[in-house]
Amino acid sequence: GESVGLHLPTLSVQEGDNSIINCAYSNSASDYFIWYKQESGKGPQFIIDIRSNMDKRQGQRVTVLLNKTVKHLSLQIAATQPGDSAVYFCAENIPGNQFYFGTGTSLTVIP
Amino acid sequence: EAGVTQFPSHSVIEKGQTVTLRCDPISGHDNLYWYRRVMGKEIKFLLHFVKESKQDESGMPNNRFLAERTGGTYSTLKVQPAELEDSGVYFCASSQDLRQGEQYFGPGTRLTVT
Repeated sequence: GESVGLHLPTLSVQEGDNSIINCAYSNSASDYFIWYKQESGKGPQFIIDIRSNMDKRQGQRVTVLLNKTVKHLSLQIAATQPGDSAVYFCAENIPGNQFYFGTGTSLTVIP
Repeated sequence: EAGVTQFPSHSVIEKGQTVTLRCDPISGHDNLYWYRRVMGKEIKFLLHFVKESKQDESGMPNNRFLAERTGGTYSTLKVQPAELEDSGVYFCASSQDLRQGEQYFGPGTRLTVT
């Protein structure tokens, strides 16, 4: 099956710093990617998505970068806040197929 | 607009018992998905309904798991008989557009099999 992996299972950052969460995917046919945020006791929530015809997409304080050459995805969070503490999942999708999720990275923001 | 709801939020059962999880998707969403996350591991796809039809059930672990979506509204996932390895958090998600990936997730049901 597919595998979507994260380089680091945990990440701690100081409040106000920028956070970078990385994700590797294995299938070069994947053409759609999503980042989800899961807070304790809640289900994953959509943060931002990107299609394979783009290298970068920006949202509010978040940026997703896609490097298709090395099959790498990253989520950048600017000026990280305590409310950003959560588990972050990346997911990849091949047309007509299911979504494959990574194991998640736990982000802890230190006040 | 109400989000995806799941019931129960927690369930503790003994090995060999039966449990039924329920998911109510967002109204109007034809696509409904079940996922499971075992502690510390990835969120794994179980199956996908389009209305009342099973579009993809390739992720269902074995025949102890039965999912239904009668009438194309809410869905149930029954585990019978439950085994220890079935413990985990079961998420349901729904979406309006099959190809557009924004799936709306419910809060999950934490299942513990003892």
